[in-house]
Amino acid sequence: AQKVTQAQTEISVVEKEDVTLDCVYETRDTTYYLFWYKQPPSGELVFLIRRNSFDEQNEISGRYSWNFQKSTSSFNFTITASQVVDSAVYFCALSEALIFNKFYFGSGTKLNVKP
Amino acid sequence: ETGVTQTPRHLVMGMTNKKSLKCEQHLGHNAMYWYKQSAKKPLELMFVYSLEERVENNSVPSRFSPECPNSSHLFLHLHTLQPEDSALYLCASSQRREGQGNEQFFGPGTRLTVL
Repeated sequence: AQKVTQAQTEISVVEKEDVTLDCVYETRDTTYYLFWYKQPPSGELVFLIRRNSFDEQNEISGRYSWNFQKSTSSFNFTITASQVVDSAVYFCALSEALIFNKFYFGSGTKLNVKP
Repeated sequence: ETGVTQTPRHLVMGMTNKKSLKCEQHLGHNAMYWYKQSAKKPLELMFVYSLEERVENNSVPSRFSPECPNSSHLFLHLHTLQPEDSALYLCASSQRREGQGNEQFFGPGTRLTVL
């Protein structure tokens, strides 16, 4: 079974629209970490955020915000007022505390922001 | 110098060639990783080195041979590859910290084409 599911394969929006990327995870650990990465066309995965399982406070960073809900095992990512430069593939990932080196990546969501 | 560098950025090789991919991290991290990213497939973890010792090998074919001479450098030696090995090979590093999340930082990748 997949540990991290990103059901949206591809999303297209027009610039300035808000968009939410969904991420659902599965783990039996009580301590775990969730991540979002951005992969622009250049190929490099850029780290965006880490969230600890014991901290459910939502986070906002500029136009980016993250909604972590343990009750639904979701860690969704919202971009407000999207821009063309936001076009990329976005990956959600899970790391379990007892196995520090193993990241479970979702299959990614490709976001197309059109001018 | 950027955090994680990889060379070459692009590589075309025949099935009988031997080549090596190089990764260098300038972040003072103690763990390094090789991932394979094929089109329309999730990121696949290939190898993990922690404190310069290999701790994980996800059943990768022997035609891929990693080497980690020190905590800053990681190599992937390639020989007698197959066309299906064509992919983007990503290197990452992280700092192993007990009980804390360990976000991985990625290099730009090597785009490998096997003819």
